[in-house]
Amino acid sequence: DAGVIQSPRHEVTEMGQEVTLRCKPISGHDYLFWYRQTMMRGLELLIYFNNNVPIDDSGMPEDRFSAKMPNASFSTLKIQPSEPRDSAVYFCASSFASVGVGEAFFGQGTRLTVV
Amino acid sequence: AQSVAQPEDQVNVAEGNPLTVKCTYSVSGNPYLFWYVQYPNRGLQFLLKYITGDNLVKGSYGFEAEFNKSQTSFHLKKPSALVSDSALYFCAVRDIRSFQKLVFGTGTRLLVSP
Repeated sequence: DAGVIQSPRHEVTEMGQEVTLRCKPISGHDYLFWYRQTMMRGLELLIYFNNNVPIDDSGMPEDRFSAKMPNASFSTLKIQPSEPRDSAVYFCASSFASVGVGEAFFGQGTRLTVV
Repeated sequence: AQSVAQPEDQVNVAEGNPLTVKCTYSVSGNPYLFWYVQYPNRGLQFLLKYITGDNLVKGSYGFEAEFNKSQTSFHLKKPSALVSDSALYFCAVRDIRSFQKLVFGTGTRLLVSP
């Protein structure tokens, strides 16, 4: 398996534009997580899904952020409209509960810059 | 709420010397603790975990961690550091409300000098 695949790797956009980040989890994994990493706030969990259903979105900073998981092999994180303070590295991770607690596999991340 | 603290922003060690990256935890109930490593421009990679049993847990790349209940600590250790161990290390604890949700510490940068 190629691991968790995120696209794009880098995204530069202007303030006010819509941004969509994409994630393909490892096949067979039943949990998917979206994290945001910044120098100031460290690693924050935004939302996670179990079997494609959102379980906890309490980390989503505001209504400008939304996430979907239409099927087991694809998820998106959308920011509309984007703002400079959204600049961060966004990670997607997946795990398989039956394998072990907490052993999540992370993608390489999307570095988002909003100018 | 479950939380972990990593008191050191950076740890410097010479290659060949033992290394320790510190982590303390605050949980209600039995802790599930983890260490992850992040290399530059990469996602986090799982190193090891403590669920129950032996207080000394062995993980990937020669790392191990010692669970100490009385000191509420879970320090990451390696007997002999390599320059390639230089990375960002995160301690994490399982959230009590969710079996798979992790709460991460702020991270400790390990710098191993030749």
